[in-house]
Amino acid sequence: GAVVSQHPSWVICKSGTSVKIECRSLDFQATTMFWYRQFPKQSLMLMATSNEGSKATYEQGVEKDKFLINHASLTLSTLTVTSAHPEDSSFYICSARGEMGYGYTFGSGTRLTVV
Amino acid sequence: SQKIEQNSEALNIQEGKTATLTCNYTNYSPAYLQWYRQDPGRGPVFLLLIRENEKEKRKERLKVTFDTTLKQSLFHITASQPADSATYLCALPNQGGKLIFGQGTELSVKP
Repeated sequence: GAVVSQHPSWVICKSGTSVKIECRSLDFQATTMFWYRQFPKQSLMLMATSNEGSKATYEQGVEKDKFLINHASLTLSTLTVTSAHPEDSSFYICSARGEMGYGYTFGSGTRLTVV
Repeated sequence: SQKIEQNSEALNIQEGKTATLTCNYTNYSPAYLQWYRQDPGRGPVFLLLIRENEKEKRKERLKVTFDTTLKQSLFHITASQPADSATYLCALPNQGGKLIFGQGTELSVKP
């Protein structure tokens, strides 16, 4: 079945630095990937839709200059959290849409802690 | 905008019993609805998809119903096991076609 690999699984960074999270589709091509954020005990919130070869589309309230998304190939999308602050600490998860009739395939998530 | 409501209180049941989780939505009826399982610190794992013209869908010990009149989906796990303990998420597409999630219901199955 479709597998999405996400790296790193956790990262701790200092306030003001940038962090890059990678999301790879291992055995299929994903022209579209999605980035979600999840706070403890809360739902997954869609941040942006990553489109291969074009600009990402961001959900309302998500700063595109802070959360940079690059989808340079059919198997890789990256999310860079720029100038991270403690309030950016969260669980970030990527996903790719599966075949018709099947759900999305999610990465294992990245726990970001900004200190 | 579409809102998804899942019981935020944890559901505690005894091993062997049937767990029933509820997902209600408030606005338009989606073309399909999905259920996912999420373990702590992990991404969600897809379980089942049910379309608007399907009343019921089964997969092994799992059963999902979809009532567009009530705007509700029920998710059942029969003969529950401690390994079924996790958070279960209901998801459906919004009017832009993007998948939105409920906050999930935590299920705990005691031996």
